[in-house]
Amino acid sequence: AQTVTQSQPEMSVQEAETVTLSCTYDTSESDYYLFWYKQPPSRQMILVIRQEAYKQQNATENRFSVNFQKAAKSFSLKISDSQLGDAAMYFCAYRPKAAGNKLTFGGGTRVLVKP
Amino acid sequence: NAGVTQTPKFQVLKTGQSMTLQCAQDMNHEYMSWYRQDPGMGLRLIHYSVGAGITDQGEVPNGYNVSRSTTEDFPLRLLSAAPSQTSVYFCASSYHRGGEAKNIQYFGAGTRLSVL
Repeated sequence: AQTVTQSQPEMSVQEAETVTLSCTYDTSESDYYLFWYKQPPSRQMILVIRQEAYKQQNATENRFSVNFQKAAKSFSLKISDSQLGDAAMYFCAYRPKAAGNKLTFGGGTRVLVKP
Repeated sequence: NAGVTQTPKFQVLKTGQSMTLQCAQDMNHEYMSWYRQDPGMGLRLIHYSVGAGITDQGEVPNGYNVSRSTTEDFPLRLLSAAPSQTSVYFCASSYHRGGEAKNIQYFGAGTRLSVL
């Protein structure tokens, strides 16, 4: 069974600084997708960024970027120029390519942004 | 577009009661799923569907039933509620076809359920 591990329960960052969230996963699949979701206090799950395993280039979305290390099964999220609105729970998620709607989530990392 | 709509937003049940959590999407998505989120944890898959008339179990299916009679709706039924089912429930949908779009799951706002 696939597992997703987020080892940091909480991270604190100063506004305008950079924070990196860790995620590791375990799978025997060779083709899959990885995601980072943001969950603010409203509970809404918001897709932040996604990465396809067969693409070597790391995905970026504005201030969000990932460091995808396939051999190490590592998928970290970097938030640059942190803003107060970035404060939320962040979840790493995994999905095999053949399993269109079966996401496996990590336990989450709470990000606190200090003004 | 309304996206994925879940009703109700909050519900309190007594042990043994039954209820149905509603989920509807207006994006013509083939795939729909139900997840539960317990305090301090990530989401776990309960049941999922790849199209009308087709459902299957996820990671934590016990105590829940689903059906998919239309593309738009995917209700989750609790037949006899237990305190262990106190959780926040999320419905999600996604495309089966459509290039890059099929990799994105759209989530509803969640239903907070308390079973006393």
